[in-house]
Amino acid sequence: QQQVKQSPQSLIVQKGGIPIINCAYENTAFDYFPWYQQFPGKGPALLIAIRPDVSEKKEGRFTISFNKSAKQFSLHIMDSQPGDSATYFCAAKSGNQFYFGTGTSLTVIP
Amino acid sequence: NAGVTQTPKFQVLKTGQSMTLQCAQDMNHEYMSWYRQDPGMGLRLIHYSVGAGITDQGEVPNGYNVSRSTTEDFPLRLLSAAPSQTSVYFCASSYSRGLDTQYFGPGTRLTVL
Repeated sequence: QQQVKQSPQSLIVQKGGIPIINCAYENTAFDYFPWYQQFPGKGPALLIAIRPDVSEKKEGRFTISFNKSAKQFSLHIMDSQPGDSATYFCAAKSGNQFYFGTGTSLTVIP
Repeated sequence: NAGVTQTPKFQVLKTGQSMTLQCAQDMNHEYMSWYRQDPGMGLRLIHYSVGAGITDQGEVPNGYNVSRSTTEDFPLRLLSAAPSQTSVYFCASSYSRGLDTQYFGPGTRLTVL
């Protein structure tokens, strides 16, 4: 049973576009929501994270939007570049455990 | 700092064999964890540790053992490998229980025949 549901599975955008990746959860005990970026053959790397008392967080071209009442959060990548082509994972933490979404493979076409 | 290191990078086992995946970090992090990554499944937590001598089960602990005798090392043991354990394994660490940046190692690709 997937605790964090992520969509879409894959995404193709043109350079400069704004890909949006969505995640949803049910467990109200989750208290920290990070996003990770993973390139082929590498381990995931933390991109940006948010806590449930904040509705939006922006770091550079990456923005998390968080809707606590809907139990949803999303990643927006502004002015996407070919170098952003990677797999993105959302995650949620409860206690000492992290639960990951199934990942979104993003391709940015030059 | 080497960060989080994992050995080996690749491993092929036969069903029933045992092995230990090694993980070490040189950042004096309290929290260490093991994940497996399977296609279409994302990363799933196997075991984690909040400090030397303290370990606990994650989402998918069956078939795996861990111990944490030092702050630096967190080995993962497969006692009797099964084809269902074919996966990519990642070790991760963070300063305090994942409340800040969790650093992942480069992964170990394990195939069980």
